[in-house]
Amino acid sequence: DAGVTQSPTHLIKTRGQHVTLRCSPISGHKSVSWYQQVLGQGPQFIFQYYEKEERGRGNFPDRFSARQFPNYSSELNVNALLLGDSALYLCASSLGRGFTQYFGPGTRLLVL
Amino acid sequence: KNEVEQSPQNLTAQEGEFITINCSYSVGISALHWLQQHPGGGIVSLFMLSSGKKKHGRLIATINIQEKHSSLHITASHPRDSAVYICAVNSGGSNYKLTFGKGTLLTVNP
Repeated sequence: DAGVTQSPTHLIKTRGQHVTLRCSPISGHKSVSWYQQVLGQGPQFIFQYYEKEERGRGNFPDRFSARQFPNYSSELNVNALLLGDSALYLCASSLGRGFTQYFGPGTRLLVL
Repeated sequence: KNEVEQSPQNLTAQEGEFITINCSYSVGISALHWLQQHPGGGIVSLFMLSSGKKKHGRLIATINIQEKHSSLHITASHPRDSAVYICAVNSGGSNYKLTFGKGTLLTVNP
């Protein structure tokens, strides 16, 4: 079975641009979470979706938004990119609350 | 003060040594996770604990809920164990938010 997949793997953008990152969860998983990991730090929680509803939001500005589709895949959108948005963006899926989260390989975003 | 603190930040060991990485947290939790991250970014979940002890191969994870402390042990360490080990907690409630420590960089030399 395929694990969690993310696309693209790498991305270079310039300040002020918009970016969309995509995540496909493991088949049967209804929960998707997004994390940002800046170099040298642990991941920081951005969003969590379950059954297409937002169930949690971290301390990120409104430039960050996400959604979950009927097939449980998810998109993370970031508007008006800043240099500080350069990071590894991780997606994780799980069956639901109390179950292990499985992480994707991440999307490495560089903002110039 | 971070909600999740790990120690040490960096650890260098010789092959075969017994390794211990510690994690302390300051909030009530429903579960604690130990994760492994290799260079390049991929994260693998090693353990999810809510009490007691779990063992998988050469890895052992323990948690003391009263003391808000967990340890990850690696027996007979090997160079392929070199990675960043991250502790993360679920603080419970209706969301699934994980709060992460900064990680411990383990280097095992042959």
